[in-house]
Amino acid sequence: DAMVIQNPRYQVTQFGKPVTLSCSQTLNHNVMYWYQQKSSQAPKLLFHYYDKDFNNEADTPDNFQSRRPNTSFCFLDIRSPGLGDAAMYLCATSREASYSYNEQFFGPGTRLTVL
Amino acid sequence: GQSLEQPSEVTAVEGAIVQINCTYQTSGFYGLSWYQQHDGGAPTFLSYNALDGLEETGRFSSFLSRSDSYGYLLLQELQMKDSASYFCAGASSGSARQLTFGSGTQLTVLP
Repeated sequence: DAMVIQNPRYQVTQFGKPVTLSCSQTLNHNVMYWYQQKSSQAPKLLFHYYDKDFNNEADTPDNFQSRRPNTSFCFLDIRSPGLGDAAMYLCATSREASYSYNEQFFGPGTRLTVL
Repeated sequence: GQSLEQPSEVTAVEGAIVQINCTYQTSGFYGLSWYQQHDGGAPTFLSYNALDGLEETGRFSSFLSRSDSYGYLLLQELQMKDSASYFCAGASSGSARQLTFGSGTQLTVLP
């Protein structure tokens, strides 16, 4: 089945120790998104790629970076995780939106714990 | 940017009908989406309204009124498995149709 896969599902890191989260998709969608979701809050968009074009949300901290080496894979790098970065990180994909169509497909998420 | 408001909690009984409202203030608003998220799970797409009016998908319907900056999700014949968080999300006019999510409504369905 076509899907969005995130690895690892659970990640524990130490304060200040860089961490990379990965996302892959078999949907061949040209748009990929990274969201941060803290407990009992809404998903918050960090950035997205439209093909190879990177788009950063204005309030995404510089501590967060992303790479998309090809259509299928996207990575989220947190350079120096702080306690406030503990959250669920969700990857999502979509094909090019049309006027009447706009659906994002979410992966299962990676839950990040910062010690 | 966009901001969307929805009630934080709704409770209903099995078999009932419930409506979750969403009001928005936007710049660059293109359409309104609804997502369901069970505890510990990923958001899943329910519906998208680009035009004013009602969209129906099985037990779920969604409505949009651009003139009122208002939409709602209607859930009929509620089942226990419908207990979840429901998010409205505004889609931007950008090419990637980025989503800004409302704060979410926790729906509890009682037997």
